Amino acid sequence: DTGVSQNPRHKITKRGQNVTFRCDPISEHNRLYWYRQTLGQGPEFLTYFQNEAQLEKSRLLSDRFSAERPKGSFSTLEIQRTEQGDSAMYLCASSLVGAEKKAFFGQGTRLTVV
Amino acid sequence: AQSVAQPEDQVNVAEGNPLTVKCTYSVSGNPYLFWYVQYPNRGLQFLLKYITGDNLVKGSYGFEAEFNKSQTSFHLKKPSALVSDSALYFCAVRDEASGTYKYIFGTGTRLKVLA
Repeated sequence: DTGVSQNPRHKITKRGQNVTFRCDPISEHNRLYWYRQTLGQGPEFLTYFQNEAQLEKSRLLSDRFSAERPKGSFSTLEIQRTEQGDSAMYLCASSLVGAEKKAFFGQGTRLTVV
Repeated sequence: AQSVAQPEDQVNVAEGNPLTVKCTYSVSGNPYLFWYVQYPNRGLQFLLKYITGDNLVKGSYGFEAEFNKSQTSFHLKKPSALVSDSALYFCAVRDEASGTYKYIFGTGTRLKVLA
């Protein structure tokens, strides 16, 4: 069990550029979550998958954001035409299905838009 | 709608003293409650959870939390604080009855344990 892995750990990009982040969940976990965390705030829900199906998206996830989990394993989160307000820590988590199952979080990708 | 409130931005406590970090919640059904801790430049680490059963749950690193349904609270406690407990603590709730599986987090409480 290597835990939830996120890449890259840090990303600096110019405003208007596209960025893509990757999350590799714990291997047998079928639920995968994306959260965004800004300084001084708690993690805000963006979206989650069960296997390859994207079951819920937050209103925070504007049309510039898209997430995929094509084979029910790793996931990618893409932000198009980045804005300075997108600067944040993007957290990925995974869990097994079940009410009692806890989520395991990755270390996050810190995005800075300049 | 589900929500979590952590009323204290920061809690200061002397090493060796008991600590409490407060959390209240609002859900439509039965709550599933969690505490996570975040150290600098690290992801969130699970501490403990309440799903059902005994209202006092024990977790990692000597932490425990008490579920109080009438007060809709789930306060985190530790009998004797350590300097190494200094970190950012998040309470989270899931409301499976609402048909969603997402976790809703509070805004966090920074715990400072003073030597």
